[in-house]
Amino acid sequence: GAVVSQHPSWVICKSGTSVKIECRSLDFQATTMFWYRQFPKQSLMLMATSNEGSKATYEQGVEKDKFLINHASLTLSTLTVTSAHPEDSSFYICSAPPGTGNFLDGYTFGSGTRLTVV
Amino acid sequence: AQRVTQPEKLLSVFKGAPVELKCNYSYSGSPELFWYVQYSRQRLQLLLRHISRESIKGFTADLNKGETSFHLKKPFAQEEDSAMYYCALTRRGSTLGRLYFGRGTQLTVWP
Repeated sequence: GAVVSQHPSWVICKSGTSVKIECRSLDFQATTMFWYRQFPKQSLMLMATSNEGSKATYEQGVEKDKFLINHASLTLSTLTVTSAHPEDSSFYICSAPPGTGNFLDGYTFGSGTRLTVV
Repeated sequence: AQRVTQPEKLLSVFKGAPVELKCNYSYSGSPELFWYVQYSRQRLQLLLRHISRESIKGFTADLNKGETSFHLKKPFAQEEDSAMYYCALTRRGSTLGRLYFGRGTQLTVWP
């Protein structure tokens, strides 16, 4: 089935620095990628939708300048947390919808990135 | 507006007991409903989708449009079923649309 590879799986960074998270579609071309944030024992909150070749669409309340999303190619979408602060510490997950690769298994998810800002 | 409600944050049962994870939804159009499962230290994976009408790992879920529910059931729970379960919906027929998630139910099956 379709696989989305997400890296890094965990990262610790100092407050004020930037962190880039990558999601690659391994055996299909992802024209769209969803980026979620998950707090402990809570639901997935959609942050933004990246589209190859166009600007990302951000959900209400998500700071565009803080969470930079780039969909550079049909196999790579990145989320950069700029000037990270401790409150940005969370679990970030990417997901590709089924239409991107015409697979019938439903949405495919990355393994997630645990970001800790100290 | 769309909303997925999972009323139980935590659910514990003993091995062999029946289990039901509740999910209610509100959606203005025609929804497609899913159950996703997240085992410890693993990524989310699809468990069921209502249009498939299938049984996976002994789990079934029936879409009740009158009650706007999509409860997940298993007659005999196993320890390996312990995981986080998310109910989700999207617009029916959509292959590029976003998923709306419930808050999740942490299921623990005791030996």
